[in-house]
Amino acid sequence: SQTIHQWPATLVQPVGSPLSLECTVEGTSNPNLYWYRQAAGRGLQLLFYSVGIGQISSEVPQNLSASRPQDRQFILSSKKLLLSDSGFYLCAWSLQTGGNYGYTFGSGTRLTVV
Amino acid sequence: SQQGEEDPQALSIQEGENATMNCSYKTSINNLQWYRQNSGRGLVHLILIRSNEREKHSGRLRVTLDTSKKSSSLLITASRAADTASYFCATDTGGFKTIFGAGTRLFVKA
Repeated sequence: SQTIHQWPATLVQPVGSPLSLECTVEGTSNPNLYWYRQAAGRGLQLLFYSVGIGQISSEVPQNLSASRPQDRQFILSSKKLLLSDSGFYLCAWSLQTGGNYGYTFGSGTRLTVV
Repeated sequence: SQQGEEDPQALSIQEGENATMNCSYKTSINNLQWYRQNSGRGLVHLILIRSNEREKHSGRLRVTLDTSKKSSSLLITASRAADTASYFCATDTGGFKTIFGAGTRLFVKA
């Protein structure tokens, strides 16, 4: 069965420090991969998505970047965190083909920038 | 307003009652999905309804879709305290993106 792992669960980082969040998927090949951010009590904002190794699409200009070094690995990074980067970050995957499939989400990372 | 807005924003009911949440959207869709999120956790996919479907059931969940009104509803029958969570609708308009609403926070009192 397919599983998705996201870590760490919580993170407290000082302003100006780097960030690296990792997400890995097991049990499927060539998935679409996504990074979302959720502000408190709000919906999800799509940050990045990837349809293949090295292919990254950015939805909003910001202080973050994403990479997909392997088929089932998706990394969210920042060189210098801002206070506004605080939030709940969620990784998700969906099947590559067609569009009538739901998303499977990781358990999320609560990032607090202080 | 944005694609995929849930209504109401919050709902409080007694255990055993039915809970109905609504979702409205603006543009044509391929499908609409409902997700559940427990506090501080990731989202869990509940049900997907395609644009050519009008109703779908899964256990105590019933989802309807009215493409002429660009709206959907999620009904949870015989609610339980464990159903307390936030519920999100998400619309797939094609491509690789699915747009999520802000969610309905459901509180089921035991």
